[in-house]
Amino acid sequence: DVKVTQSSRYLVKRTGEKVFLECVQDMDHENMFWYRQDPGLGLRLIYFSYDVKMKEKGDIPEGYSVSREKKERFSLILESASTNQTSMYLCASSPLARDNEKLFFGSGTQLSVL
Amino acid sequence: QKEVEQNSGPLSVPEGAIASLNCTYSDRGSQSFFWYRQYSGKSPELIMFIYSNGDKEDGRFTAQLNKASQYVSLLIRDSQPSDSATYLCAVNESGGFKTIFGAGTRLFVKA
Repeated sequence: DVKVTQSSRYLVKRTGEKVFLECVQDMDHENMFWYRQDPGLGLRLIYFSYDVKMKEKGDIPEGYSVSREKKERFSLILESASTNQTSMYLCASSPLARDNEKLFFGSGTQLSVL
Repeated sequence: QKEVEQNSGPLSVPEGAIASLNCTYSDRGSQSFFWYRQYSGKSPELIMFIYSNGDKEDGRFTAQLNKASQYVSLLIRDSQPSDSATYLCAVNESGGFKTIFGAGTRLFVKA
């Protein structure tokens, strides 16, 4: 079974703090993604990466950055956390092959910024 | 902005009935279509995918795709209370790596 592991299930941070969300996958997938999920808005793509050290902006990258130094690990960084970044953050991975674009999700990190 | 539209529901059906979930998308070049199920407090899990026009069946689930109408649907036969969840329609962006999600339809199956 594919396993995507997110380091924290719940996280509480203060406004202005730098926040790191870690994600590790064990299936040698090329693609990794960070989404946030808010009620009524569905999943919105923040950043994705299709290779080590490669990154692409998604639909809502403002206030976030990412790092992919190793194939299995994709980190999301909130440079200076704000209350509007309170959300559920979901990491996902997928293989590169054309007919295997299926996403495998981690269990999510519920981040609260106070 | 490419979009995927779903009725947010909730859709309520009695146990044993057919649940019909619908989705439209704006990217005419999209080739890959997915349905994810998300239980409350859990992450989405893939339950169906479809690439070609027509129907694809897997157990109690049938995905239907009509590219001309830009329409995807999911039918759940013999609905069970355990099917109560939010169902997310997802479409891969043409020519790219991105998957675009609808906001989801909440389904309640009443025992």
